[in-house]
Amino acid sequence: GAVVSQHPSRVICKSGTSVKIECRSLDFQATTMFWYRQFPKQSLMLMATSNEGSKATYEQGVEKDKFLINHASLTLSTLTVTSAHPEDSSFYICSARVKGNEQFFGPGTRLTVL
Amino acid sequence: QKEVEQNSGPLSVPEGAIASLNCTYSDRGSQSFFWYRQYSGKSPELIMSIYSNGDKEDGRFTAQLNKASQYVSLLIRDSQPSDSATYLCAVREGFQKLVFGTGTRLLVSP
Repeated sequence: GAVVSQHPSRVICKSGTSVKIECRSLDFQATTMFWYRQFPKQSLMLMATSNEGSKATYEQGVEKDKFLINHASLTLSTLTVTSAHPEDSSFYICSARVKGNEQFFGPGTRLTVL
Repeated sequence: QKEVEQNSGPLSVPEGAIASLNCTYSDRGSQSFFWYRQYSGKSPELIMSIYSNGDKEDGRFTAQLNKASQYVSLLIRDSQPSDSATYLCAVREGFQKLVFGTGTRLLVSP
């Protein structure tokens, strides 16, 4: 399968700070990437769809000014959690859609906001 | 929001047995279906995709799709303790989005 990387894998930050998470497709070009959030013992919830060269499409209930998404190239999308609060602590996972139907996930970033 | 439902489990099977995981979906027009495996603390890993009615086999895994019944299943033959994980069913909504079920936790005992 296609390889997707994420950085950092784990981050701890203070409340009120911003955190940037990078998602890269390593061996293919991804015109579309997806950002998910997963709370403990819950399923994946899609936050937004990131399209290269255009604005992201956010799911209902996701604040676009709080979760900034930039998809500047065909291999990189970034998610910035602005003014993070403890309730933003979660497992953030990106995925990329390969030509066709399948989505492959990055390893995830565990965010802890103190 | 389209719905994808799975029994949360846990489903317990002995090593060597067949594990059967089930999923139902609400959108009759859905065309693409996926099974992912997620180990605790890790991200999902694609196991299989299926688009046509019937069975699709890949090694020890068989995906079964019945669009008339809006039902998709995953069979794992010769289950191993390393298969113990949460299995997520996903259905494509529209052109790109995937809608995930809550997952079924599988426990394979030695």
